[in-house]
Amino acid sequence: DAKTTQPTSMDCAEGRAANLPCNHSTISGNEYVYWYRQIHSQGPQYIIHGLKNNETNEMASLIITEDRKSSTLILPHATLRDTAVYYCIVRRNTGKLIFGQGTTLQVKP
Amino acid sequence: GAGVSQSPSNKVTEKGKDVELRCDPISGHTALYWYRQRLGQGLEFLIYFQGNSAPDKSGLPSDRFSAERTGESVSTLTIQRTQQEDSAVYLCASSVTEISGNTIYFGEGSWLTVV
Repeated sequence: DAKTTQPTSMDCAEGRAANLPCNHSTISGNEYVYWYRQIHSQGPQYIIHGLKNNETNEMASLIITEDRKSSTLILPHATLRDTAVYYCIVRRNTGKLIFGQGTTLQVKP
Repeated sequence: GAGVSQSPSNKVTEKGKDVELRCDPISGHTALYWYRQRLGQGLEFLIYFQGNSAPDKSGLPSDRFSAERTGESVSTLTIQRTQQEDSAVYLCASSVTEISGNTIYFGEGSWLTVV
C-alpha cells in the first residue's frame, strides 16, 4: 500500500490560509490522492482529490508536486469550523481507502 | 436519499449478544465499504463489496464479524457474541465504482456500546 506521512498537529490563525502537507513517496502512477476531514466523531467528510494536476473546489485547493511524491491541501481562509482531523490518503487501484492518523488542525481566533 | 444512511445511529448491547448494523448506500453506487473507529483512534478498514465480485474481507478482525450485501443495495454488518472491545463507531461508505478516481462518501456511523 502507498503510505502517507503527515504532521501530527498544526495550528492556524483564523482568516489565514492553512497549508497541510502530505508525503506519499511510494504512490503508483494511477493512484489518486484524497483528502478527508473528520470533525469530532462525525463521518469523514470528502474535501478534494487529484491525480497529477492541481485541483480547486469550493472547499480547498490541492497542490501536487510534479513527481507526485507529495501534496499540500490549502484551506484559503480558515475558520474556527475548520478545526478537525485532516486525512491524506492514497487510494489503491483496488478501491479501498487506508487511513493513517491524520493531522489535527486547530484554528485559533 | 442523498447520502449514505446508517441505522441504528446508536446501539447499546450486553456483552455476548449479537448485533446487526445496516447501511443504505447512495443509489447507483456499486462499491460499499465498512470501517470501524474506536474512541480517539483512526479508521480501520473492515470489508468492501464491489458489484458481484467476491468481497474483500481482509480487515475483519475475527470470525465473529461478518457482512452481507444484497445486490448493489443494502448491506448488513453482523457482530456475534459481542465483546467490550467491539465498542466503536461503525462507518459505512459507498462509491460509484472501486476505481481510484471515484469519490467515496461516508455515512454518519452507528455508535455501538457493549456493556
